[in-house]
Amino acid sequence: KQEVTQIPAALSVPEGENLVLNCSFTDSAIYNLQWFRQDPGKGLTSLLLIQSSQREQTSGRLNASLDKSSGRSTLYIAASQPGDSATYLCAVKPAREGKLIFGQGTELSVKP
Amino acid sequence: NAGVMQNPRHLVRRRGQEARLRCSPMKGHSHVYWYRQLPEEGLKFMVYLQKENIIDESGMPKERFSAEFPKEGPSILRIQQVVRGDSAAYFCASSPPGSRGYTFGSGTRLTVV
Repeated sequence: KQEVTQIPAALSVPEGENLVLNCSFTDSAIYNLQWFRQDPGKGLTSLLLIQSSQREQTSGRLNASLDKSSGRSTLYIAASQPGDSATYLCAVKPAREGKLIFGQGTELSVKP
Repeated sequence: NAGVMQNPRHLVRRRGQEARLRCSPMKGHSHVYWYRQLPEEGLKFMVYLQKENIIDESGMPKERFSAEFPKEGPSILRIQQVVRGDSAAYFCASSPPGSRGYTFGSGTRLTVV
């Protein structure tokens, strides 16, 4: 059974810091992995999607890596800003299944 | 191109009433997924539907919950005889054929009083 874990559960950093959020999954048979952002009381915004054959994806200040064999992904945020404060969710799509399996999220707070 | 539309945004029901949650997928998306987010918990998969077919309902509670995605119109998640424990945010997502990226709606926040 696929399980997704995100560490840390919460993170508070000063503005301008570079930071790394971690995601691990127990079954390497995945189709893709997706990082989302969720603001309080709101829906999910897709940040980056990495197919199983890819190693990383980049969008602006965000970079996500995927090491399928070790069951790990990281989301790197460069030069963090207060507007980055949100909960970041990692989700894997198991191979041959339609659903996403989510981690519990990392709640990020960037202090001005 | 509107995103995934969910309505209502907020829904209050008394115990024992029925709740109907609607989801219109993005244009061109034929796959719909429902997820539930309980307070202080992560998102849990409920059901995966294509037009007129339930593909995977492994996350649906065995009783009181049902979902449909008719040939015409939005997908509906129905909860009969709601209880306080059903209070949660219900999110719908859609994807095109080939199951690449998912797009989520803003959710329906159900409160059972």
